[in-house]
Amino acid sequence: AQSVTQLGSHVSVSEGALVLLRCNYSSSVPPYLFWYVQYPNQGLQLLLKYTTGATLVKGINGFEAEFKKSETSFHLTKPSAHMSDAAEYFCAVSDPGGSYIPTFGRGTSLIVHP
Amino acid sequence: EADIYQTPRYLVIGTGKKITLECSQTMGHDKMYWYQQDPGMELHLIHYSYGVNSTEKGDLSSESTVSRIRTEHFPLTLESARPSHTSQYLCASSETGVTGELFFGEGSRLTVL
Repeated sequence: AQSVTQLGSHVSVSEGALVLLRCNYSSSVPPYLFWYVQYPNQGLQLLLKYTTGATLVKGINGFEAEFKKSETSFHLTKPSAHMSDAAEYFCAVSDPGGSYIPTFGRGTSLIVHP
Repeated sequence: EADIYQTPRYLVIGTGKKITLECSQTMGHDKMYWYQQDPGMELHLIHYSYGVNSTEKGDLSSESTVSRIRTEHFPLTLESARPSHTSQYLCASSETGVTGELFFGEGSRLTVL
């Protein structure tokens, strides 16, 4: 069975500050990992994904994440927050040896202050 | 431009009514999913389908039912809505056997009075 833990239901940063959203997973096999973003009254859209290869993954809107197997982590970062980054962020894990159906975390709400 | 469409976006109905939430995708994906989303909670998988005439129940028990008669269409039905069904319902699709990346619709927010 796989699971995802997102530390912090809310993260508050100032505009221009570093964004760090934490995600830890558990999986019996090397997983595929995803970050999705959800803006108000919209569905989820993919920010970035890790499947194989380079462990540092770059996504849209300046976000990146690093897969650290030893720490079972896939934290999302962005060097400088913009007001437009305010949204809900979901980490997800899927099992490449199984059904591929992803399991999602509870989400982290990113608040950006001017 | 969205390639997966959900209607209605918002619905307020009374207890006991039958409702159907529509979901259609134009990407030719075999797999489709329904998730239930409540504030501060994980997205809970309630139904999924591997293709035409395939439907499976997800992790979260649900009184809803689904059908998959056409590849592009995956409607969700509640025969008798109750206030406990008040939630946001998200439809998604994916290609078979490719990473598990999902493409989501904009959601249907259901309120049962």
